[in-house]
Amino acid sequence: NAGVMQNPRHLVRRRGQEARLRCSPMKGHSHVYWYRQLPEEGLKFMVYLQKENIIDESGMPKERFSAEFPKEGPSILRIQQVVRGDSAAYFCASSPPAGGEQTQYFGPGTRLLVL
Amino acid sequence: AQKITQTQPGMFVQEKEAVTLDCTYDTSDPSYGLFWYKQPSSGEMIFLIYQGSYDQQNATEGRYSLNFQKARKSANLVISASQLGDSAMYFCAMNPTRGSYIPTFGRGTSLIVHP
Repeated sequence: NAGVMQNPRHLVRRRGQEARLRCSPMKGHSHVYWYRQLPEEGLKFMVYLQKENIIDESGMPKERFSAEFPKEGPSILRIQQVVRGDSAAYFCASSPPAGGEQTQYFGPGTRLLVL
Repeated sequence: AQKITQTQPGMFVQEKEAVTLDCTYDTSDPSYGLFWYKQPSSGEMIFLIYQGSYDQQNATEGRYSLNFQKARKSANLVISASQLGDSAMYFCAMNPTRGSYIPTFGRGTSLIVHP
């Protein structure tokens, strides 16, 4: 049973470009979460999605950031017109359908570097 | 609102000794889950252990145990017989088990195991 997959593992962008981060949840998981981790800090929640629905995006900046989890295919976190402050590790996690233990299993992360 | 506090930015332990990593929490949710994750220098987030707020017994997973004291709102991680490979950042987290399941993470504790 494959774990959570994220790609790319490392991404370098110049200021003003777009960054697309992909996340495939574990098989059988229908909930996806995105987090950002700055150096020397813990994880900050960004957005929580289920298939074709954004459930909670309270942690995501209002501008330049968007997320989706289509019916088919991976979840995508998109950052438009990146700035140096967007450099961070972005983690995706998935969990089973609602009810009971909601342990989140994390992907390996995408390290974004904005030059 | 939820809050996780990890007061130890860094801990040192000798190989084969036991170590306790502190975590206190605050929440108004009546039902919640508590988690510990390990982040080695390679960067991935590894799930270690889960404790439900209504669980009567403390959770254990191999060398990891969670010392859950509900009245004190603490969920300390105990690692027995430390190994060099235990050197990593350790994050405590919690989420409500009803509603949005959005978790909150602490800032982490850096554990160094020396021979």
